[in-house]
Order: sequence, then structure tokens, then C-alpha cells
Amino acid sequence: DVVLTQTPPTLSATIGQSVSISCRSSQSLLDSDGDTYLNWLLQRPGQSPQLLIYSVSNLESGVPNRFSGSGSETDFTLKISGVEAEDLGVYYCMQATHAPLTFGSGTKLEIK
Amino acid sequence: EVQLVESGGGLVQPGSPLKLSCAASGFTFSSNWLNWIRQAPGKGLEWVASINPDGSSTYYPDTVKGRFVVSKDNAKNTGYLQMNNLRSEDTAMYYCASDYFDYWGQGVMVTVSS
Repeated sequence: DVVLTQTPPTLSATIGQSVSISCRSSQSLLDSDGDTYLNWLLQRPGQSPQLLIYSVSNLESGVPNRFSGSGSETDFTLKISGVEAEDLGVYYCMQATHAPLTFGSGTKLEIK
Repeated sequence: EVQLVESGGGLVQPGSPLKLSCAASGFTFSSNWLNWIRQAPGKGLEWVASINPDGSSTYYPDTVKGRFVVSKDNAKNTGYLQMNNLRSEDTAMYYCASDYFDYWGQGVMVTVSS
């Protein structure tokens, strides 16, 4: 199974600060169809997860553009350019290139 | 507005069966995959099952293969997760999610305990 390693496990940020979360895969996530099925999700406290970024760098509809994704093959990054209070929660990367679908262990973002 | 609403959770004894439902609205359910993901208390997300649009193909991780069965009734816009021979480690919040994980239900809690 593909293992997704997220770092850091926790992150503390002030409002307006820019932060990055890393997601490293044990295998290349480049699919034979040319796409890379690496998504980023946010789970706010007490809520269901929501999709932020799909296929590495595509912003889901309605998601603020302070969120951005980058990377390729095995190394991926989620960046928040100017953290806001509503961004607190746990961020997960997930891959759908290889079966079984797997998730990273999560990065908890706290607001100072 | 797209909505996914899970139901059917509860407290069951080890070895018991339980069937979850996921009622969909606001999109063409018959044209979409349906996914089930669970989250044990205080833990991360785990994929549990997926089914293709017409229900002819299903997929599971090894942890539930042979015990869980995913299905969908496109006429009723509803998906199901039949869980058999439940174990304590199946205790979790269960979510259904749409095709590309762009819509999630609110989740339903399943507790397996004697």
C-alpha cells in the first residue's frame, strides 16, 4: 500500500502567517493516464472533511485562493498564504492513484 | 444543492451485522461513484469501500474485504454499506463521499462493543 507521510504533525501559526504542509509518498503518484491523483482535505473540529485541492494543484470550487498545492511524483506541498482563523483543523493528503486509496496521518493547524 | 445524508449507525455487539445508508440529492447519483470512509475516535481517515456508477464493480481494502459489502440503488438515489461480523476495531464515524471526494455526508457513528 502507498504510505503518505505528512509533516509536521502539528503546526502553530498566527493570523496572516504563511505556512506549508508536506506530504511525501512511498511511490510515485503519477498515473499511467498522465494525471496525479493527490488531493488535500481539511477537517475542521466537529465537521466532515472538505476537499481543498485536487490533482495536486487544482483549487476546489469555493475554496479561498490563499490555499495552493504543488509538487510531483512523490513530494507534495500545501501552502496557506496568510492563515485565517477559520483555517484551524486537521489537514490530510490522500492519494487515489494506487489501490487501495490511502490518506496521510494528518497535520493539525492551531492558531496562536 | 448537493447533499449526502448517512443513517443506520448505532451500538452493536461484536459479530453483529449493521447496514448503513447514504441518501443522495442534488446531483446525478446514477452517474457517480460512491465512496465510504471511516474515522476511528481521535484517529485519521481510512477508506472503506467504493462502488462504480452502475454498481457492477466494488472495491475494498483488505481490512474489510469479505465482511463489508457496498451497493447502490440508483432508482432510490441511495447507497448502502452492509457490515457483517463487526469487530471492536470497526468502531468509527462512517462517512459517504461523492465521486471525487468533493462532497461528504455528516457521518454516522458505529460502535461495536459488548
